[in-house]
Amino acid sequence: AQSVTQPDIHITVSEGASLELRCNYSYGATPYLFWYVQSPGQGLQLLLKYFSGDTLVQGIKGFEAEFKRSQSSFNLRKPSVHWSDAAEYFCAVGSDSGNTPLVFGKGTRLSVIA
Amino acid sequence: DAGVIQSPRHEVTEMGQEVTLRCKPISGHNSLFWYRQTMMRGLELLIYFNNNVPIDDSGMPEDRFSAKMPNASFSTLKIQPSEPRDSAVYFCASSLEAGGNQPQHFGDGTRLSIL
Repeated sequence: AQSVTQPDIHITVSEGASLELRCNYSYGATPYLFWYVQSPGQGLQLLLKYFSGDTLVQGIKGFEAEFKRSQSSFNLRKPSVHWSDAAEYFCAVGSDSGNTPLVFGKGTRLSVIA
Repeated sequence: DAGVIQSPRHEVTEMGQEVTLRCKPISGHNSLFWYRQTMMRGLELLIYFNNNVPIDDSGMPEDRFSAKMPNASFSTLKIQPSEPRDSAVYFCASSLEAGGNQPQHFGDGTRLSIL
């Protein structure tokens, strides 16, 4: 069964600084990987996804993520953070097997300071 | 396109009362998921359906919780009787298929408070 770990519970960055949120997964085959963002009072919104091909994927809101098989990682990055990026971020991993749904990490809360 | 629609957005009720949460998935999506989110336990998958059939309800915490999907465009999550520890945000999500190769699309949730 697949699993996902987000090592950082809470991260604080200054507005304009770069951001990297870590995600490590466990799965025997090539995984399907997703990043979601949850703003206060809202549901989870899909930022980007990796299925195959180019290991650097671009998403909405200026985010990107890089799949590194050797490190079992799928870290989320943004070159310059805006105050509106303050939110909870979830990494999720999926597999090819039939009815097995996505497995979500516990999330990383991002705070942005002036 | 309309996203996943949940109602009500907020529900406040007294313990012992029956609570019914509603969800309309995205048209054409065959799978529907119910989640519960709390500060202590994070995001928990309660139950999911594929083609209106419950596939896995192992996340349902107790027999007080039940979920139905009578047709492809509607699902309910019911708590009877409700208890204060059921207070949480409940999310519904839908996807084309239940498998992990499909992204899930979330509603805005129902914030439930049991007094």
